[in-house]
Amino acid sequence: DSGVTQTPKHLITATGQRVTLRCSPRSGDLSVYWYQQSLDQGLQFLIQYYNGEERAKGNILERFSAQQFPDLHSELNLSSLELGDSALYFCASSTGSSGNTIYFGEGSWLTVV
Amino acid sequence: GENVEQHPSTLSVQEGDSAVIKCTYSDSASNYFPWYKQELGKRPQLIIDIRSNVGEKKDQRIAVTLNKTAKHFSLHITETQPEDSAVYFCAARDNNAGNMLTFGGGTRLMVKP
Repeated sequence: DSGVTQTPKHLITATGQRVTLRCSPRSGDLSVYWYQQSLDQGLQFLIQYYNGEERAKGNILERFSAQQFPDLHSELNLSSLELGDSALYFCASSTGSSGNTIYFGEGSWLTVV
Repeated sequence: GENVEQHPSTLSVQEGDSAVIKCTYSDSASNYFPWYKQELGKRPQLIIDIRSNVGEKKDQRIAVTLNKTAKHFSLHITETQPEDSAVYFCAARDNNAGNMLTFGGGTRLMVKP
């Protein structure tokens, strides 16, 4: 158990819908990262937050947004879902803004039908 | 931004043999290089990491080497066992973009008993 908690574990939704994925970082970690992993693909960086502020942005679609709340949990919002958005979405956390050791949650499986 | 290339994409070895996975990175300012192991449907788990002030690091059957001049690093697994079968990802920390990790494309290692 990495200490990073993600919910829901599995989610099936229809095209055009909107979903929210939630992440609670390890106790004491200020940085949260979101990664997308499609079938047989690598880990694509989406976005990073540090202590509530956006720190870095990767190849995140405009239909996707995220935020980190004062209690440090984070949410990834995916809207106008398309079939191609089906993937495993990982949240990860680390202590500082400088990355160092990043611990991954178990992921949220999103299936868009 | 940082770009990490990983080779080979698949690697099949006989149990007891050694396995070597190689990665190159583009950003000379990167200074942290972790390796993650991901079993099917599970989260990536850190197995070893190396910082730029060290040329080699070993942990039991796993070792990582770093050549800063050539900007490449490698994972070495000796005496492979069937439970080593998984996808392995290398990564580099991008100091110029919020310090998030940029991952290589992954190597699917199969250890045949």
